[in-house]
Amino acid sequence: ETGVTQTPRHLVMGMTNKKSLKCEQHLGHNAMYWYKQSAKKPLELMFVYNFKEQTENNSVPSRFSPECPNSSHLFLHLHTLQPEDSALYLCASSQEVGQSYTEAFFGQGTRLTVV
Amino acid sequence: KQEVTQIPAALSVPEGENLVLNCSFTDSAIYNLQWFRQDPGKGLTSLLLIQSSQREQTSGRLNASLDKSSGRSTLYIAASQPGDSATYLCAVLSGSARQLTFGSGTQLTVLP
Repeated sequence: ETGVTQTPRHLVMGMTNKKSLKCEQHLGHNAMYWYKQSAKKPLELMFVYNFKEQTENNSVPSRFSPECPNSSHLFLHLHTLQPEDSALYLCASSQEVGQSYTEAFFGQGTRLTVV
Repeated sequence: KQEVTQIPAALSVPEGENLVLNCSFTDSAIYNLQWFRQDPGKGLTSLLLIQSSQREQTSGRLNASLDKSSGRSTLYIAASQPGDSATYLCAVLSGSARQLTFGSGTQLTVLP
């Protein structure tokens, strides 16, 4: 148990569907992240939320829409995705302490397949 | 823009061997560096965190060092075991947005 829980673990969706990924952290952290991991590529940061405010959006297409209703929950809303969006989507959390952060903890990921 | 490189990309060793994984980063102005382990199809498990003011961290058979000025870190695994087989990822926290930038990982196989 990592303290960061992602649901669902697997998701298959058509290109016209709308779905959401959910992340919940039980660690009392104030920063949460969405990462994308594609085959043969390094993890790519998508979004960062600090104290529920989005502080970073790494040029992610608008078909990905994040939502952070509180410091424990993070969602990634998906619509009209493309097959190349198929990947492992990972959520992480950490705690801002002064000028730095504690170690980041990751969830088990959602394996997304777009058909 | 921060870039992280890990060498080698893959490594296969017999059980019991000591080994070293390398990580380098281009911008030495980092807040911390973290080593992770990832099993196939799974999330990341944090192994060690080194703050920018520290030189090394140890946990069991693992020892990670950090030379911030030269932009390098090494992960030393002593007496490797088949259960150590996984992909090892290095990540640095840097920049005004305090982003974690990952390397591509080293895929380790420990043969029984």
